[in-house]
Amino acid sequence: AQKVTQAQTEISVVEKEDVTLDCVYETRDTTYYLFWYKQPPSGELVFLIRRNSFDEQNEISGRYSWNFQKSTSSFNFTITASQVVDSAVYFCALSEDKAAGNKLTFGGGTRVLVKP
Amino acid sequence: ETGVTQTPRHLVMGMTNKKSLKCEQHLGHNAMYWYKQSAKKPLELMFVYSLEERVENNSVPSRFSPECPNSSHLFLHLHTLQPEDSALYLCASSQREAAYEQFFGPGTRLTVL
Repeated sequence: AQKVTQAQTEISVVEKEDVTLDCVYETRDTTYYLFWYKQPPSGELVFLIRRNSFDEQNEISGRYSWNFQKSTSSFNFTITASQVVDSAVYFCALSEDKAAGNKLTFGGGTRVLVKP
Repeated sequence: ETGVTQTPRHLVMGMTNKKSLKCEQHLGHNAMYWYKQSAKKPLELMFVYSLEERVENNSVPSRFSPECPNSSHLFLHLHTLQPEDSALYLCASSQREAAYEQFFGPGTRLTVL
């Protein structure tokens, strides 16, 4: 069975600090997909990034960057020069390549609090 | 309307009431989902509909009854709920293949008295 672990439940930083969120996953499949979502206080989950298991290239999007390491089953997320608007709960998720439906398994989430 | 919408946004109900949550997606997707988010278990998948057929039912009590009349609409019918069912109920939609991200609605905050 698949599993996603986000060991950090809450991280508090001061604005402009960098913050890295850890995500470790377990799966028996060779083809799978990893996602990060952001949930601001309003409640709606916002999609940030998707990565497939065959693409280990790291990615940068503005102040966000992702480090995918298949050897350690990790897909970590870094926010550089954090801002107050980055305060939210961030979820890592895993989807396996199954025929019937697109089933996401979420980690427990990491709450990020950015203080001015 | 764009994206995924959910109504109502807030609902308070007694344990003997019957109510329904509605979800509508305007993205042309062919799969829809119900999730429950509470303080104890952050994001639990409840039901998955793919091409309007239920393909996943994660041991959800029968007091929750989903309905998917077409690819754009999803309902969650509620009856004789318990206070521990109080949570944020999130609807999502996507293309049915695993490679695609799910798009979420804003959720319905449910309180059972």
